Amino acid sequence: GEDVEQSLFLSVREGDSSVINCTYTDSSSTYLYWYKQEPGAGLQLLTYIFSNMDMKQDQRLTVLLNKKDKHLSLRIADTQTGDSAIYFCAESSGGSYIPTFGRGTSLIVHP
Amino acid sequence: EPEVTQTPSHQVTQMGQEVILRCVPISNHLYFYWYRQILGQKVEFLVSFYNNEISEKSEIFDDQFSVERPDGSNFTLKIRSTKLEDSAMYFCASSLAGGRLDTQYFGPGTRLTVL
Repeated sequence: GEDVEQSLFLSVREGDSSVINCTYTDSSSTYLYWYKQEPGAGLQLLTYIFSNMDMKQDQRLTVLLNKKDKHLSLRIADTQTGDSAIYFCAESSGGSYIPTFGRGTSLIVHP
Repeated sequence: EPEVTQTPSHQVTQMGQEVILRCVPISNHLYFYWYRQILGQKVEFLVSFYNNEISEKSEIFDDQFSVERPDGSNFTLKIRSTKLEDSAMYFCASSLAGGRLDTQYFGPGTRLTVL
């Protein structure tokens, strides 16, 4: 079945860029997503990318997709303390509209 | 901004007991979902619900689980006889439509602890 892997923790200094990485196994993945979960809140869809794109930019967020290597990354420019959260990578493929999630990466931003 | 709410935030129960987890989806949404995340593991899909019936379910969603929309606002997940391995965070979500780009709005989760 589909599998999505991401590292569990990332620590960065405020003002630096953060890069959260994700790999997936399903070559038929058509949509790839990044969700953010702040403490005490639900998962919030941050951004998504179609599999026929290799980059998408939205303000401080840049998503890069390497379809050949099945690698997805989320770059947050000028990381702020408010960016501290858990970031989930997810994908959906084929006819399913249900995303398959990774375990989440805890981003810790320190001064 | 409308949001999905879940109650309780934390439920502790004894093994073998029945639990009902409650969710209030966003009022004009038509599709409802339950996911769970065992500590340290991935967020796993359990079930989706549309038009008063289950539209899709995973292998995890066995006969011990059931879902219901008892009135126009609540969406519940019942676990009939809890097991230790049911301990997890349970997330409810809702969406206006059921396509892959129809944003699912998640609730904050209910942490279920089975002793």
